[in-house]
Parts: sequence; structure tokens; C-alpha cells
Amino acid sequence: GESVGLHLPTLSVQEGDNSIINCAYSNSASDYFIWYKQESGKGPQFIIDIRSNMDKRQGQRVTVLLNKTVKHLSLQIAATQPGDSAVYFCAERGTGSARQLTFGSGTQLTVLP
Amino acid sequence: EPEVTQTPSHQVTQMGQEVILRCVPISNHLYFYWYRQILGQKVEFLVSFYNNEISEKSEIFDDQFSVERPDGSNFTLKIRSTKLEDSAMYFCASFSQGYTEAFFGQGTRLTVV
Repeated sequence: GESVGLHLPTLSVQEGDNSIINCAYSNSASDYFIWYKQESGKGPQFIIDIRSNMDKRQGQRVTVLLNKTVKHLSLQIAATQPGDSAVYFCAERGTGSARQLTFGSGTQLTVLP
Repeated sequence: EPEVTQTPSHQVTQMGQEVILRCVPISNHLYFYWYRQILGQKVEFLVSFYNNEISEKSEIFDDQFSVERPDGSNFTLKIRSTKLEDSAMYFCASFSQGYTEAFFGQGTRLTVV
């Protein structure tokens, strides 16, 4: 079946460095993508989204890049801070009537002091 | 800021017992979902609810599961006869329409003993 997956399960970065988290998706019909952050014991929290008609979208300290040719999504976090330590999930939304999200496996980001 | 609220935060139940997990989605949202997350794994789609009926369900959502939106405010997930493997975090989510994110509650941790 269609799935969304992540390249790396863990990522450690030094505080102040930039982080890049990658995601591969396989459903070419998906038209909307979201990055969520999940802290321990909490629900997924929206970070940034992008529609399939865009290549790049920027937020505060975060940028999402979408490469539809290779079905790849990335999340860039600038000047990573200790509070950024969490699990990051990409999610895709298909075009079916239910419009549910399909989540990837998640990447654990650890920010080192 | 509007939020999705879930109760209880933690539920412990004996195998074979029925449990009801409760959610209050964001009031003007149209689509409602239940997701499950087994410890350390990704967030898995269970069921979507739109226009007062189930619009899609996953393979996980078998006859032991049911959902209701009894009063236009609450959204419940019932597991009729819990099994050990039902132990997980259960997240309720809602979204309005179009290209907007789904908002997640903080989850109910279900422990089946």
C-alpha cells in the first residue's frame, strides 16, 4: 500500500546548528503535507505545512522543501535549540473524501549542548 | 487558541472490558479522526468521521471499535472488549476543511492489563 517513510530514525545536532530531517513519500496523489513535532507524552503539534503546488515554504526558523520529482520532503530547522528536541513526523494527506493523514515513522531529534 | 481536548488522560482497564475514550474537537471543524500510537511507533490512522458518519476506516478498526458523535460536541471511541494489544496512546484529531492542518488532542494512554 501507499506509505510515508523517513530516512533516519535519529538525528543529533549541536545547539545552534541547523537540522535537516528528511521524509520520503510514495503516494503521488497526495496534495498536502505537514510536519508535526511530538514531545514525550504529548500529541502531535503542527509545525509547518506545504501544498503540492509549492516547492518551498518558510516559517519562523523552519523551512519545508518539497521535491515532487523524487517524492521527497524535508524539514530544516535553523539555529536548533534544546526545546527542539522531539520526534518529528511528516504526514501526507490524500485526496480521498476522508482527507485523513498518513504519518511517517518519525525521527528523534536530539539537541546536544 | 482553540484546542482538541481528550479525557481521560490515562485509562487502565482489564482485558475483555469495554472502554470509552472521549474527545471534544474544535467546534467549527467538520472532519474528526481517531489515531493510535503504540509506544515508540508511528501514529496510525484508525477512523475518520464526517457528516455524522464514518467516511473511512483502517484495518485496525475492526468490529470491536465504534465511534459516535452523540451531541454535536463530543466524539467518542469505544472498544468493546479490550485486548492486551490495544494498549497504546489514542489521539483524537479534527480539521476544518481545505488545506489546513489537523489539530490533535493530548491523547489518552490506554493500558490493558
